[in-house]
Amino acid sequence: DIQMTQSPSSLSASVGDRVTITCRASHDISSWLAWYQQKPEKAPKSLISAAINLQSGVPSRFSGSGSGRDFTLTISRLQPEDFATYYCQQYSSFPLTFGGGTKVEI
Amino acid sequence: QVQLVESGGGVVQPGRSLRLSCAASGFSFGIYAMHWVRQAPGKGLEWVAVISYDGNNEYYADSVKGRFTISRDNSKNTLYLQINSLTAEDTAVYYCAKVLDYGGHPDWFEYWGQGTLVTVSS
Repeated sequence: DIQMTQSPSSLSASVGDRVTITCRASHDISSWLAWYQQKPEKAPKSLISAAINLQSGVPSRFSGSGSGRDFTLTISRLQPEDFATYYCQQYSSFPLTFGGGTKVEI
Repeated sequence: QVQLVESGGGVVQPGRSLRLSCAASGFSFGIYAMHWVRQAPGKGLEWVAVISYDGNNEYYADSVKGRFTISRDNSKNTLYLQINSLTAEDTAVYYCAKVLDYGGHPDWFEYWGQGTLVTVSS
């Protein structure tokens, strides 16, 4: 199984800050990586696929980078609605696996 | 627009069975693979199972293999998850999710339902 390790597990930030979340895979997954945002008591929402492709409707302050084993999600200027938990997910092989999540708090 | 609505969750005793449903609308259900993903209270996301567009291919997480069965009825635009021999470790919100793939290959989750909570307790 491919293990996905996210860091940090939580962070505190202010509106307007630049936030970076990292995700490391235990094996090379090329660019088969997605990012999701989840707010309390809500379903996850897809943000980015193929490591860098922003989903339709997702604000351009979100961006993804990386390939192979190391990936990054960046929020360029944090907005109040961005406080949530973020997950990475590899889809290189079964079983599909997620990182442990990064909670972005005020 | 794409809608996925799960149902069938509830409080169930250990060892019992449950069938979850996911009603799909707003897209051509019968040409896409579908997945189940679960989330235990206060925990992260865990992939559970996938079924191909035609129901001919299925894959399961090791943690549920042999106890869970994923199925679909394309005539009803509905996805199912049969859960047998429930244990406390199965307590979670269960989400159905749509992908872009059709064959049941690894993929990312384009759309998610709102989830249905299964609580296993005596």
